[in-house]
Amino acid sequence: SQQGEEDPQALSIQEGENATMNCSYKTSINNLQWYRQNSGRGLVHLILIRSNEREKHSGRLRVTLDTSKKSSSLLITASRAADTASYFCAALHYNSGGYQKVTFGTGTKLQVIP
Amino acid sequence: DGGITQSPKYLFRKEGQNVTLSCEQNLNHDAMYWYRQDPGQGLRLIYYSQIVNDFQKGDIAEGYSVSREKKESFPLTVTSAQKNPTAFYLCASSLTTDTQYFGPGTRLTVL
Repeated sequence: SQQGEEDPQALSIQEGENATMNCSYKTSINNLQWYRQNSGRGLVHLILIRSNEREKHSGRLRVTLDTSKKSSSLLITASRAADTASYFCAALHYNSGGYQKVTFGTGTKLQVIP
Repeated sequence: DGGITQSPKYLFRKEGQNVTLSCEQNLNHDAMYWYRQDPGQGLRLIYYSQIVNDFQKGDIAEGYSVSREKKESFPLTVTSAQKNPTAFYLCASSLTTDTQYFGPGTRLTVL
């Protein structure tokens, strides 16, 4: 089953506005990461938040994690046209065999209009 | 110049053929992963390997095979048993449980 589900699926905002994306997951996690993908390219890591952390900042990015609700959010402040991309959450957990496994969400497609 | 590379960038296959996608990393990472991405969708895990000579099936392993004979290399073979192989394939590597570093991807098209 899909571990990460994201909403909204697509988001269109004006440059300068904030963009918020949400991610929910089903099982206990070790950490949760956010990635960015420009069209037709590989994914680029943005930020990692561990299960014992509640909030983390990196430049214009702010990530929160609520393990009781099994959810995370990514906030991009003062958005720029260059932020236009798809954003994915990725939850790391351990499967029944004890192997670590990362499961990606379906992504949020962000469009920032200049 | 450290990183993870995939080749080729574009690959065309005739129905019934096996093809192998290359993934190489010089980051000294133990773990490597293969994902499939279909248009407008997230990534689905095909296979992953946490150490040399060991690999595990992901969520959609049917019709694919891998090997991990060297730490630096994790090739993926798309066999003729994979009924719908046209997709974008992404390889990644990581050091233990931290960040995954992705290659640029291979776009496979079945003719």
